[in-house]
Amino acid sequence: SAVISQKPSRDICQRGTSLTIQCQVDSQVTMMFWYRQQPGQSLTLIATANQGSEATYESGFVIDKFPISRPNLTFSTLTVSNMSPEDSSIYLCSVGRLALTGYEQYFGPGTRLTVT
Amino acid sequence: LAKTTQPISMDSYEGQEVNITCSHNNIATNDYITWYQQFPSQGPRFIIQGYKTKVTNEVASLFIPADRKSSTLSLPRVSLSDTAVYYCLVAVYSSASKIIFGSGTRLSIRP
Repeated sequence: SAVISQKPSRDICQRGTSLTIQCQVDSQVTMMFWYRQQPGQSLTLIATANQGSEATYESGFVIDKFPISRPNLTFSTLTVSNMSPEDSSIYLCSVGRLALTGYEQYFGPGTRLTVT
Repeated sequence: LAKTTQPISMDSYEGQEVNITCSHNNIATNDYITWYQQFPSQGPRFIIQGYKTKVTNEVASLFIPADRKSSTLSLPRVSLSDTAVYYCLVAVYSSASKIIFGSGTRLSIRP
């Protein structure tokens, strides 16, 4: 398994500002994933962060809005830039592992962001 | 990635067996079927994964027919704590896999 922590757990921010979310994993992983989950909705993948290379963004998400850092194999940050109320959401980081039972993905507790 | 279709919501009562069916008509030969559970204010949690026939663990059973175009997650004797959203996913997995979530099934258990 993997234990994932995120900081902050929640925040209330003003529009136009930026927030950086930190994700720490208890063991080394090659790839980390960032998701967004809007109220009452499913999870949407924002990007995949591979250590030592640029993050790969999904359709509808761009680096200028959601810059990602991956300085080492246990840590990543996601910044939500120039925030608007539409960015209010839960942001989750995740890592995947191949196990005997198959491929499992583990998720952090999430960061609940409210933009006013 | 194969698209999945599952009921938006289901209701049941404590002590009942709950079966949630997922359709994945375009599943590919190398795809696996995986189910995740998500409680409010938490990230999703892996429940079970299978390729064909039946898989059982301490939490649930997964039934996959021979054509693999659907699968059924079976939760035995549910309790109130099983109230959650359940996601069915279909994908080829490797150490570099990413997971795309569908809409999920919101399961509500009543006393």
